[in-house]
Amino acid sequence: EPEVTQTPSHQVTQMGQEVILRCVPISNHLYFYWYRQILGQKVEFLVSFYNNEISEKSEIFDDQFSVERPDGSNFTLKIRSTKLEDSAMYFCASSWGTTGAYEQYFGPGTRLTVT
Amino acid sequence: DQQVKQNSPSLSVQEGRISILNCDYTNSMFDYFLWYKKYPAEGPTFLISISSIKDKNEDGRFTVFLNKSAKHLSLHIVPSQPGDSAVYFCAASASNTGNQFYFGTGTSLTVIP
Repeated sequence: EPEVTQTPSHQVTQMGQEVILRCVPISNHLYFYWYRQILGQKVEFLVSFYNNEISEKSEIFDDQFSVERPDGSNFTLKIRSTKLEDSAMYFCASSWGTTGAYEQYFGPGTRLTVT
Repeated sequence: DQQVKQNSPSLSVQEGRISILNCDYTNSMFDYFLWYKKYPAEGPTFLISISSIKDKNEDGRFTVFLNKSAKHLSLHIVPSQPGDSAVYFCAASASNTGNQFYFGTGTSLTVIP
């Protein structure tokens, strides 16, 4: 069964450093997403991406964040200057269609720890 | 801005009995609802969904009920099995906001053998 993969599984970085989280969505999916979950809290939407551009983003997704699909398979989330409060699980997801009727398939997540 | 709420952080049920997980929402524009299941160290996996034109959707042991007037949905698992022990998230989306899902905080279900 096709699945979304994410690397690394755990990333530790110092405050102020840049991090890039990587995702390989399911190959025939067209829509890509990043979510995060701070420990003990809900899963929060960050951004959706379609046709090589951002289609929606939340208030969390400020100028410190950027997304890119550098080639035909990878989808990346970059945090330019990490803060302590960026520590969370980051989930990548992908879907075939755009409306809520298309389920999103999630990767296993990357645990980001900012020290 | 808690548009989707799961007020029970945890639930314990005996194996073989029914598990009922509840979810409330505030945005009347939500027209599609999903339940995701999450095991530790894994991403959420899709379980079952329902659109706002229905009030019930069943898939094997899992049934989701939607009460639009009360802005409430519930997930019934019957019979519950130990392998069902996980965190369950409900999520909702509105067609006019495209593909953004709003998640609840999750309910941790423990099925006791």
